[in-house]
Amino acid sequence: DTTVKQNPRYKLARVGKPVNLICSQTMNHDTMYWYQKKPNQAPKLLLFYYDKILNREADTFEKFQSSRPNNSFCSLYIGSAGLEYSAMYLCASSRKGTGGFNQDTQYFGPGTRLLVL
Amino acid sequence: GEQVEQRPPHLSVREGDSAVITCTYTDPNSYYFFWYKQEPGASLQLLMKVFSSTEINEGQGFTVLLNKKDKRLSLNLTAAHPGDSAAYFCAVSEDTGNYKYVFGAGTRLKVIA
Repeated sequence: DTTVKQNPRYKLARVGKPVNLICSQTMNHDTMYWYQKKPNQAPKLLLFYYDKILNREADTFEKFQSSRPNNSFCSLYIGSAGLEYSAMYLCASSRKGTGGFNQDTQYFGPGTRLLVL
Repeated sequence: GEQVEQRPPHLSVREGDSAVITCTYTDPNSYYFFWYKQEPGASLQLLMKVFSSTEINEGQGFTVLLNKKDKRLSLNLTAAHPGDSAAYFCAVSEDTGNYKYVFGAGTRLKVIA
């Protein structure tokens, strides 16, 4: 089973309010990612967890938080939503490659569509 | 950092015709290349992953070509059918184990019966 699940699928939030998105996988993958995708743009990596270590991209460092309470779950937290946060948020997971292949395939969830009003 | 440009953004072809989507990248250290397909309302699904050492890779009804000299990756759907209608994304990654993909902006393909 290569399923990555995301909840909720749709989220409506008010400007200035917090938002928490959830992702889960049961593949025992060591790495989980969050991407932001806006229409006609490439998915943009926000952050990823390798095991318990959080790595945040420099240009989104202060805008997003995340937690990974166990191997299967990862959340994306926005402390104070702004209009510019309206987007699709994609979660993905992967495991470290083997046999000299460092980069294994990322498996994606269906996304959470966030609309901030 | 790495930049990936994907063309065309929209593509419409007739059933049975070929469809070609191309990505160009900038980082000569890029080593792993991926094509994903996304149908409406669904997840990105992996079509194929290729290594830097392999130039031609064939899948079910499509071919992926990698030209390292020109830093170009292409997806060729050889005889498109309506089920191929979807968004297609390329992604590029280095061989450093940094786990990061850089994506193209996607191509929305429509196959007309």
